Amino acid sequence: SQELEQSPQSLIVQEGKNLTINCTSSKTLYGLYWYKQKYGEGLIFLMMLQKGGEEKSHEKITAKLDEKKQQSSLHITASQPSHAGIYLCGAAFYGNNRLAFGKGNQVVVIP
Amino acid sequence: NAGVMQNPRHLVRRRGQEARLRCSPMKGHSHVYWYRQLPEEGLKFMVYLQKENIIDESGMPKERFSAEFPKEGPSILRIQQVVRGDSAAYFCASSRTGRGENTEAFFGQGTRLTVV
Repeated sequence: SQELEQSPQSLIVQEGKNLTINCTSSKTLYGLYWYKQKYGEGLIFLMMLQKGGEEKSHEKITAKLDEKKQQSSLHITASQPSHAGIYLCGAAFYGNNRLAFGKGNQVVVIP
Repeated sequence: NAGVMQNPRHLVRRRGQEARLRCSPMKGHSHVYWYRQLPEEGLKFMVYLQKENIIDESGMPKERFSAEFPKEGPSILRIQQVVRGDSAAYFCASSRTGRGENTEAFFGQGTRLTVV
């Protein structure tokens, strides 16, 4: 079974609109990572969240980790075509050496 | 400060040949992780290495696959006697300290292996 579920699987928004994508874990996270990937390219690190209730922002992207550390949301304000891509959440779990990943949220921004 | 460097970017091998994928971590990073990405399946962990040591290889197939991270030089993921099912994008990530200390992991551009 998938340790991390990302929703929605794909999302199409008009340029200038806001969007939110989610990452839900089946167990308590040690840390939560958001990456962005464009087709055929590598993963670009966006941000890392560790503490329950933590919120971080970078330019127009804000990510939050809920108090129970089992869910994170990533919010993009006034989306641009440059925000298009696949957003991957990765999680570190207690007692584990690896980052597990969700299947990604595909975001399409229509000009 | 160069990022994580992977080469080659694209690799074509015939069935039965060997594939060698290289990963040079970011400067100052001594922890390396290898992942495989298939369409519709997402990123799958393969192996975690620290200089000269394999820390966790729980995601690596038992046969034909091996990984190393020597004291000098890049980390190598080696696939022997490749089969069509090995075709995928292979990504390497590096971090300054281990996962237990929870630090950022940065990814390379990947190597796209095609087995014909």
